[in-house]
Amino acid sequence: AQSVAQPEDQVNVAEGNPLTVKCTYSVSGNPYLFWYVQYPNRGLQFLLKYITGDNLVKGSYGFEAEFNKSQTSFHLKKPSALVSDSALYFCAVRVYGSSNTGKLIFGQGTTLQVKP
Amino acid sequence: ETGVTQTPRHLVMGMTNKKSLKCEQHLGHNAMYWYKQSAKKPLELMFVYNFKEQTENNSVPSRFSPECPNSSHLFLHLHTLQPEDSALYLCASSPEGQGVGADTQYFGPGTRLTVL
Repeated sequence: AQSVAQPEDQVNVAEGNPLTVKCTYSVSGNPYLFWYVQYPNRGLQFLLKYITGDNLVKGSYGFEAEFNKSQTSFHLKKPSALVSDSALYFCAVRVYGSSNTGKLIFGQGTTLQVKP
Repeated sequence: ETGVTQTPRHLVMGMTNKKSLKCEQHLGHNAMYWYKQSAKKPLELMFVYNFKEQTENNSVPSRFSPECPNSSHLFLHLHTLQPEDSALYLCASSPEGQGVGADTQYFGPGTRLTVL
């Protein structure tokens, strides 16, 4: 079955330190992978995606993610965390539905808490 | 903002009421999606529409009835809901099949639904 796992419910990091939010996936074929962020009382905002090419993908707000095919992982990273990065982060993989329309399967989300 | 709007932002309804959620996208996309986000659960895809045609119904109970009159508008009609249907309902759109970037979904802010 196609799935996405985020093994940590919460990640705590001090401001200025590097952060990593983990994601692993299980999908047949080449994966299209995404990271979204959700601030309180808001919808999901697109951060970055991996489709093909360079395994290190750069996205919004200084975030980047590293695709590792052998480990089936797509971890989100940032060299220096900000308090304003505190939010709920979702990893997702794109799959195709019965009509060949794309859809996303999401992980359960990881709450990032950055302390001053 | 992402160009996807949802109204109302908050809704409280009784189990015997009938109400509707509205989603509108101003991005020229052709695919639209309804998701349900409950506490401590991954986002659940409910329905997918592509060019006004429903392409996915993810075993959603019939008390949820979607309507897509055109590619810019999506409704979710609600009747005889249960308290466990209380959740954040998110709408998204994507330029499915429109070349580069077609795979990225853009989300509205959501409607927080409470069923009493």
